[in-house]
Formats: sequence, C-alpha cells, structure tokens
Amino acid sequence: ETGVTQTPRHLVMGMTNKKSLKCEQHLGHNAMYWYKQSAKKPLELMFVYNFKEQTENNSVPSRFSPECPNSSHLFLHLHTLQPEDSALYLCASSERLALEQYFGPGTRLTVT
Amino acid sequence: DQQVKQNSPSLSVQEGRISILNCDYTNSMFDYFLWYKKYPAEGPTFLISISSIKDKNEDGRFTVFLNKSAKHLSLHIVPSQPGDSAVYFCAASAEKSSGDKLTFGTGTRLAVRP
Repeated sequence: ETGVTQTPRHLVMGMTNKKSLKCEQHLGHNAMYWYKQSAKKPLELMFVYNFKEQTENNSVPSRFSPECPNSSHLFLHLHTLQPEDSALYLCASSERLALEQYFGPGTRLTVT
Repeated sequence: DQQVKQNSPSLSVQEGRISILNCDYTNSMFDYFLWYKKYPAEGPTFLISISSIKDKNEDGRFTVFLNKSAKHLSLHIVPSQPGDSAVYFCAASAEKSSGDKLTFGTGTRLAVRP
C-alpha cells in the first residue's frame, strides 16, 4: 500500500451504533488529521495529531473520539451519531504540520 | 463566517482554452495559499502553492496569481485538458508550518469539454 489509506470506504450506521474509521499512512509523516466534508461546505478540520500528541480539537462533539496509537495510524471512534453527521470523513498526513497534506480517499458515512 | 470563499461553484471550459478559478479571503493574516484538486472517490491532492511574498507561481500548465491588496488569488490552467476536470479547493494559512490551521474554501467544480 502506498500513500494514505482509509477503511471502510462506505459506512451506514444507526444512531445507536458504535463504529470506527481507520486511517493508515505509508509516507513516514509525523502529523495526521481528520477532516469532515459536508455537502456545499468547506473541509472542516476536526482533529490533529503531531508526533502522536493531539494538538487540535476544533470543538468537535464528544460522540467523535480520535485515537492515534502511533504516527502511522489514526482512528475515529463513532458513537450515538446524529443524521447531520452524515458526511465524507477524510484523513490526511503531512511532515510535521506542513501545509502540503496528503489525503486518503475518505469514508462516506451515512447515519440513519 | 467563511474566511476563504470560492464564489463560483462550477466552471465549464473548452479543451485547449484557459481555465481561471478564483478565490477570495478575508483574513489579512493569511500568508500562504494552496490549491488542491479532487477527483471523485479520491482525496484532495496538493497542486500548487504561493506565499505572500510573491505575486505569481508557475508549475507547468498551472499558475497561481496572488493579489494581496484585493485579498484575491486565482488559478490559471493553460491549456485545459479533459483530465483537469475535478473539484478545485483553495486553502490558506497564516503560518508556513501550521497545517493545523489550514482553512479551505468550498471548492469549484471544473468541467473541461473535449
């Protein structure tokens, strides 16, 4: 595998479910990011990890819980989501906190 | 309030002609600007960047122009090719090493007609 991979690519979950999104980067980067992309809205930065330490949490509801066990892996744990959380969730990585970021293909999440 | 605005949601251009994608920003602290391109079912990919000390940066068919006084930047693609059809995102940051402060626009969908 090369670049940034994300699994699953598509996810449908009920509001009472618990699920996790996975991201893996094969680029040797130190920083990893979770973004949310909703229709007709800009990409919204959710969480940032730099050298496995969380550096940013942009007022994201606690029903989203990130985990970064090492510099190559990033998870987003989901529980009791709302229909308005349906969106494309993108993972990205970069050298430290460089502006040039490498994105995964995203997970299309639908909350029913 | 959106700090980075792409007011044209879509643009259609004939193959071989010039594509001009525009971006406006409101935050005068922004010093670094980037363009990303996104194909369907793929993540955005970095295309080209410019810092505020320059007014132009060129990379092959892609040129980014920055007008700081107008808080406006544009991406020119010459000549446009069908493979350029994608969504283009403008992004900005106040610092070079602050990927945790990158602000994106809503994107412009470019369609290049053969």
